[in-house]
Amino acid sequence: QVQLQESGPGLVKPSETLSLTCTVSGGSFSNFYWSWFRQPPGKGLEWVGYVYYSGSTNYNPSLKSRVTMSVDTSKNQFSLKLNSVTAADTAIYYCASSSVRIGNEYWGPGTLVTVSS
Amino acid sequence: EIVLTQSPGTLSLSPGERATLSCRTRQRISSRYLAWYQQKPGQAPRLLIYGASTRASGIPERFSGSGSGTDFTLTISRLEAEDFAVYYCQQFGNSGEGFTFGPGTKVDIK
Repeated sequence: QVQLQESGPGLVKPSETLSLTCTVSGGSFSNFYWSWFRQPPGKGLEWVGYVYYSGSTNYNPSLKSRVTMSVDTSKNQFSLKLNSVTAADTAIYYCASSSVRIGNEYWGPGTLVTVSS
Repeated sequence: EIVLTQSPGTLSLSPGERATLSCRTRQRISSRYLAWYQQKPGQAPRLLIYGASTRASGIPERFSGSGSGTDFTLTISRLEAEDFAVYYCQQFGNSGEGFTFGPGTKVDIK
């Protein structure tokens, strides 16, 4: 059973960079793409982007200019950096496995990131 | 850009009743890339259906998906207490568009 766990600061100041890491256990890291999603409190789900174990990436066009994702295969981890954050980036951030055929089968529990001074 | 619309916004039903949730797109999409998720308060989404009609691992038989082209449906044959939640449809764009979600349908207790 694949398990994911997000980690990182829960509070980020406006204009700074949001940084999160997702640690994957219980499965093969190379079997999936690895995605980040976010959900503002009380609102719907938004895909942020995904990264493959090789390091190739695909980002949501609306966030592309501010997003960087990377992988560390030695630690079975992948990361998200979102720069120049504003209050609109306040959300629960989820990491998840992704496959073209099955979609997003495994999810982390989510971590709330608040952008505030 | 693929836009998914879901209806109704809220569905008020009693346990034991049948729930029919709709997901529509303005342009045809491949059913291979259409999925449904359930989300309960304070929890991550849970994959229910992929490929428009295939139940994910461990999903009860009362959940079924159907549809093709621009119209897709999630049916819960007999609602149980644990089924009251928000349901999202999702599409994967295989031309690099990534994942897109509908706005969700909330199924609440009547």
